[in-house]
Amino acid sequence: EAGVTQFPSHSVIEKGQTVTLRCDPISGHDNLYWYRRVMGKEIKFLLHFVKESKQDESGMPNNRFLAERTGGTYSTLKVQPAELEDSGVYFCASSLADRASYNEQFFGPGTRLTVL
Amino acid sequence: GENVEQHPSTLSVQEGDSAVIKCTYSDSASNYFPWYKQELGKGPQLIIDIRSNVGEKKDQRIAVTLNKTAKHFSLHITETQPEDSAVYFCAAPPRGGGGADGLTFGKGTHLIIQP
Repeated sequence: EAGVTQFPSHSVIEKGQTVTLRCDPISGHDNLYWYRRVMGKEIKFLLHFVKESKQDESGMPNNRFLAERTGGTYSTLKVQPAELEDSGVYFCASSLADRASYNEQFFGPGTRLTVL
Repeated sequence: GENVEQHPSTLSVQEGDSAVIKCTYSDSASNYFPWYKQELGKGPQLIIDIRSNVGEKKDQRIAVTLNKTAKHFSLHITETQPEDSAVYFCAAPPRGGGGADGLTFGKGTHLIIQP
């Protein structure tokens, strides 16, 4: 079974440019999460989709970040315009649907974003 | 929201010795505590988790203990091997209770196994 995949693996852009990250969750996983790790710090939750609906976007830093999950399959995270502090590794994770208890979140390899 | 503190930030042990990483959490309603291992160039991978209805769980050389009264949980790795070298993260749900919420992570522990 294929795991969570993310594209690209690395992205280097200049301040003010736009970048779009993509995540393909494990097939059949209704829950999809975006996280970010800034160097040396904790992995921070950004948002959570259940199918195509945003369940919780309380971790999104500001309105320069836009996440979508059209059709409830893959998801994109767009940063526009990018700022220096947006640099970090962006992880996507997915899990099976179960509102009663926690299921394992499977993480992708991450996209390393560098804003110059 | 939940606050998770993790210590130490770096831990160096001799191969074959044991390693212990500790985390504390703030929300007494939290009931799910996973531990993730992240190797270089890869995403975090779940290695063990514990739910609040048990105090300890073991899986071969790895164990997790939970003290709900003190609101802390620990990862224990025995007979450490070179492949145990990685960054380890503890986590907890942000608002306690069940469900599929995003996780709140500790800052990570860089475990170094010395040959």
